Amino acid sequence: GIQVEQSPPDLILQEGANSTLRCNFSDSVNNLQWFHQNPWGQLINLFYIPSGTKQNGRLSATTVATERYSLLYISSSQTTDSGVYFCAVPAWRGSARQLTFGSGTQLTVLP
Amino acid sequence: SQTIHQWPATLVQPVGSPLSLECTVEGTSNPNLYWYRQAAGRGLQLLFYSVGIGQISSEVPQNLSASRPQDRQFILSSKKLLLSDSGFYLCAWSDTGYGIYEQYFGPGTRLTVT
Repeated sequence: GIQVEQSPPDLILQEGANSTLRCNFSDSVNNLQWFHQNPWGQLINLFYIPSGTKQNGRLSATTVATERYSLLYISSSQTTDSGVYFCAVPAWRGSARQLTFGSGTQLTVLP
Repeated sequence: SQTIHQWPATLVQPVGSPLSLECTVEGTSNPNLYWYRQAAGRGLQLLFYSVGIGQISSEVPQNLSASRPQDRQFILSSKKLLLSDSGFYLCAWSDTGYGIYEQYFGPGTRLTVT
Protein backbone atom coordinates (compact mmCIF):
# COMPACT_ATOMS: atom_id res chain seq x y z
CA GLY A 1 0.00 0.00 0.00
CA ILE A 2 0.88 3.64 -0.16
CA GLN A 3 3.49 4.95 2.28
CA VAL A 4 3.27 8.39 3.86
CA GLU A 5 6.26 10.00 5.55
CA GLN A 6 6.29 13.24 7.49
CA SER A 7 9.20 15.39 8.55
CA PRO A 8 10.45 16.58 10.89
CA PRO A 9 9.04 14.28 13.59
CA ASP A 10 9.44 16.99 16.22
CA LEU A 11 9.70 20.74 15.99
CA ILE A 12 10.12 23.34 18.73
CA LEU A 13 9.62 27.00 17.93
CA GLN A 14 9.48 30.30 19.69
CA GLU A 15 6.21 32.17 19.36
CA GLY A 16 6.26 34.31 16.23
CA ALA A 17 8.53 32.02 14.21
CA ASN A 18 7.61 30.44 10.88
CA SER A 19 7.80 26.74 10.04
CA THR A 20 7.41 24.30 7.17
CA LEU A 21 6.19 20.73 7.62
CA ARG A 22 6.64 18.19 4.86
CA CYS A 23 4.63 15.16 3.75
CA ASN A 24 5.98 12.70 1.17
CA PHE A 25 3.90 9.91 -0.32
CA SER A 26 5.01 6.89 -2.28
CA ASP A 27 2.37 6.74 -5.00
CA SER A 28 0.28 9.11 -7.02
CA VAL A 29 -2.76 10.45 -5.21
CA ASN A 30 -5.63 12.64 -6.26
CA ASN A 31 -6.11 14.23 -2.90
CA LEU A 32 -4.53 14.89 0.45
CA GLN A 33 -5.69 16.10 3.84
CA TRP A 34 -3.83 17.99 6.55
CA PHE A 35 -5.04 17.74 10.17
CA HIS A 36 -4.09 19.34 13.45
CA GLN A 37 -4.54 17.22 16.57
CA ASN A 38 -4.87 19.55 19.52
CA PRO A 39 -3.75 18.65 23.07
CA TRP A 40 -7.23 17.29 23.83
CA GLY A 41 -6.98 14.84 20.96
CA GLN A 42 -9.43 16.44 18.59
CA LEU A 43 -8.44 16.08 14.93
CA ILE A 44 -9.20 19.31 13.15
CA ASN A 45 -9.37 19.48 9.37
CA LEU A 46 -6.96 22.07 8.05
CA PHE A 47 -6.79 21.52 4.31
CA TYR A 48 -8.19 19.27 1.64
CA ILE A 49 -5.75 19.87 -1.18
CA PRO A 50 -5.18 17.70 -4.27
CA SER A 51 -2.79 20.14 -5.89
CA GLY A 52 -1.81 23.77 -5.86
CA THR A 53 -1.85 26.08 -2.90
CA LYS A 54 -4.52 26.99 -0.37
CA GLN A 55 -4.37 29.52 2.42
CA ASN A 56 -6.34 29.88 5.61
CA GLY A 57 -5.16 32.74 7.81
CA ARG A 58 -1.63 32.07 9.02
CA LEU A 59 -1.63 28.58 7.54
CA SER A 60 -1.12 27.59 3.94
CA ALA A 61 -0.55 24.32 2.15
CA THR A 62 0.96 23.36 -1.17
CA THR A 63 0.68 19.98 -2.85
CA VAL A 64 2.83 19.01 -5.83
CA ALA A 65 1.17 15.77 -6.81
CA THR A 66 3.55 15.02 -9.69
CA GLU A 67 6.48 15.08 -7.26
CA ARG A 68 4.56 13.33 -4.49
CA TYR A 69 4.84 15.80 -1.66
CA SER A 70 2.89 18.39 0.23
CA LEU A 71 4.04 21.22 2.48
CA LEU A 72 2.25 22.92 5.35
CA TYR A 73 3.41 26.43 6.23
CA ILE A 74 2.72 28.02 9.57
CA SER A 75 3.58 31.69 9.86
CA SER A 76 3.84 33.80 13.01
CA SER A 77 3.28 30.72 15.15
CA GLN A 78 1.26 30.95 18.35
CA THR A 79 1.18 28.69 21.40
CA THR A 80 -2.24 27.47 20.30
CA ASP A 81 -0.60 26.00 17.18
CA SER A 82 1.02 23.36 19.38
CA GLY A 83 -0.01 19.77 18.78
CA VAL A 84 0.53 17.08 16.21
CA TYR A 85 0.11 17.73 12.51
CA PHE A 86 -0.86 14.84 10.28
CA CYS A 87 -1.13 14.46 6.56
CA ALA A 88 -3.25 11.67 5.10
CA VAL A 89 -3.85 10.36 1.61
CA PRO A 90 -6.74 8.25 0.31
CA ALA A 91 -6.73 4.82 -1.24
CA TRP A 92 -9.54 2.54 -2.26
CA ARG A 93 -10.12 -0.43 0.02
CA GLY A 94 -13.16 -2.44 -0.86
CA SER A 95 -16.00 -0.07 -1.64
CA ALA A 96 -14.79 2.91 0.38
CA ARG A 97 -11.86 5.26 0.27
CA GLN A 98 -9.56 4.91 3.27
CA LEU A 99 -7.05 7.36 4.61
CA THR A 100 -3.46 6.38 5.19
CA PHE A 101 -1.87 8.67 7.76
CA GLY A 102 1.69 9.76 8.20
CA SER A 103 3.24 9.44 11.64
CA GLY A 104 2.85 13.15 12.31
CA THR A 105 4.96 16.15 13.29
CA GLN A 106 4.84 17.14 16.96
CA LEU A 107 4.95 20.94 17.09
CA THR A 108 5.66 22.79 20.31
CA VAL A 109 5.42 26.58 20.29
CA LEU A 110 7.05 28.20 23.29
CA PRO A 111 5.83 31.54 24.68
CA SER B 1 -24.03 21.45 9.12
CA GLN B 2 -22.72 18.02 9.99
CA THR B 3 -21.76 17.06 13.52
CA ILE B 4 -20.20 13.89 14.86
CA HIS B 5 -20.56 12.79 18.46
CA GLN B 6 -18.76 10.16 20.47
CA TRP B 7 -19.35 8.90 23.96
CA PRO B 8 -18.15 8.38 26.48
CA ALA B 9 -15.27 10.84 26.36
CA THR B 10 -13.16 8.80 28.76
CA LEU B 11 -13.48 5.29 30.10
CA VAL B 12 -11.53 3.17 32.55
CA GLN B 13 -12.36 -0.51 32.39
CA PRO B 14 -10.84 -3.64 33.99
CA VAL B 15 -9.35 -6.40 31.90
CA GLY B 16 -11.99 -8.90 30.84
CA SER B 17 -14.90 -6.46 30.99
CA PRO B 18 -17.10 -5.67 27.96
CA LEU B 19 -16.90 -2.48 25.93
CA SER B 20 -19.34 -0.39 23.96
CA LEU B 21 -18.37 2.91 22.35
CA GLU B 22 -20.90 4.86 20.36
CA CYS B 23 -20.58 7.28 17.47
CA THR B 24 -23.41 9.21 15.84
CA VAL B 25 -23.43 11.64 12.94
CA GLU B 26 -25.94 14.40 12.36
CA GLY B 27 -26.72 16.43 9.28
CA THR B 28 -25.92 13.90 6.57
CA SER B 29 -27.36 10.71 5.12
CA ASN B 30 -25.73 7.41 4.23
CA PRO B 31 -22.23 8.43 5.29
CA ASN B 32 -19.21 6.18 5.25
CA LEU B 33 -18.21 5.59 8.86
CA TYR B 34 -14.82 4.67 10.29
CA TRP B 35 -13.27 3.60 13.59
CA TYR B 36 -9.60 4.41 14.20
CA ARG B 37 -7.36 3.73 17.18
CA GLN B 38 -4.44 5.87 18.22
CA ALA B 39 -2.14 4.09 20.65
CA ALA B 40 0.56 5.80 22.70
CA GLY B 41 2.56 7.79 20.20
CA ARG B 42 0.97 9.18 17.09
CA GLY B 43 -0.08 6.63 14.50
CA LEU B 44 -3.73 6.28 13.60
CA GLN B 45 -4.76 2.77 12.73
CA LEU B 46 -7.96 2.10 10.83
CA LEU B 47 -9.95 -0.61 12.59
CA PHE B 48 -13.30 -0.80 10.82
CA TYR B 49 -15.25 0.98 8.14
CA SER B 50 -18.84 0.83 6.99
CA VAL B 51 -20.51 1.92 3.78
CA GLY B 52 -24.07 1.20 4.96
CA ILE B 53 -26.32 -0.31 7.61
CA GLY B 54 -25.10 -3.75 8.60
CA GLN B 55 -22.06 -3.51 6.29
CA ILE B 56 -18.82 -3.70 8.25
CA SER B 57 -15.30 -4.27 6.99
CA SER B 58 -12.42 -4.99 9.31
CA GLU B 59 -8.91 -3.85 8.58
CA VAL B 60 -7.00 -5.82 11.19
CA PRO B 61 -7.71 -8.93 13.27
CA GLN B 62 -8.35 -7.97 16.85
CA ASN B 63 -10.37 -8.31 19.98
CA LEU B 64 -12.92 -5.75 18.81
CA SER B 65 -16.02 -5.74 16.66
CA ALA B 66 -18.17 -3.04 15.09
CA SER B 67 -21.81 -2.71 14.20
CA ARG B 68 -23.94 -0.20 12.37
CA PRO B 69 -27.54 -0.65 13.51
CA GLN B 70 -28.74 2.65 12.03
CA ASP B 71 -27.64 4.82 9.13
CA ARG B 72 -25.79 7.34 11.27
CA GLN B 73 -24.80 5.19 14.25
CA PHE B 74 -21.58 3.23 14.55
CA ILE B 75 -20.72 1.12 17.59
CA LEU B 76 -17.40 -0.37 18.64
CA SER B 77 -17.59 -3.34 21.00
CA SER B 78 -15.62 -5.97 22.79
CA LYS B 79 -16.76 -8.94 24.84
CA LYS B 80 -13.58 -9.05 26.95
CA LEU B 81 -11.09 -6.21 27.02
CA LEU B 82 -7.35 -6.76 26.94
CA LEU B 83 -4.68 -4.43 28.27
CA SER B 84 -3.59 -3.86 24.69
CA ASP B 85 -7.00 -2.38 23.85
CA SER B 86 -6.08 0.79 25.71
CA GLY B 87 -5.87 3.81 23.46
CA PHE B 88 -7.66 6.74 21.94
CA TYR B 89 -10.57 5.73 19.72
CA LEU B 90 -11.70 8.06 16.99
CA CYS B 91 -14.78 7.82 14.85
CA ALA B 92 -14.89 9.54 11.47
CA TRP B 93 -17.35 10.04 8.64
CA SER B 94 -17.16 10.94 4.99
CA ASP B 95 -19.64 11.45 2.21
CA THR B 96 -20.21 8.62 -0.21
CA GLY B 97 -19.68 9.03 -3.90
CA TYR B 98 -16.71 8.93 -6.19
CA GLY B 99 -14.08 11.52 -5.38
CA ILE B 100 -15.84 12.75 -2.26
CA TYR B 101 -13.98 11.38 0.69
CA GLU B 102 -12.79 14.16 2.95
CA GLN B 103 -13.01 12.63 6.41
CA TYR B 104 -14.18 14.42 9.53
CA PHE B 105 -13.38 13.15 13.00
CA GLY B 106 -15.25 13.05 16.27
CA PRO B 107 -13.80 14.18 19.60
CA GLY B 108 -12.63 10.67 20.52
CA THR B 109 -12.89 8.31 23.48
CA ARG B 110 -9.88 7.74 25.67
CA LEU B 111 -9.95 4.13 26.92
CA THR B 112 -7.73 2.83 29.69
CA VAL B 113 -7.84 -0.86 30.44
CA THR B 114 -6.50 -1.68 33.92
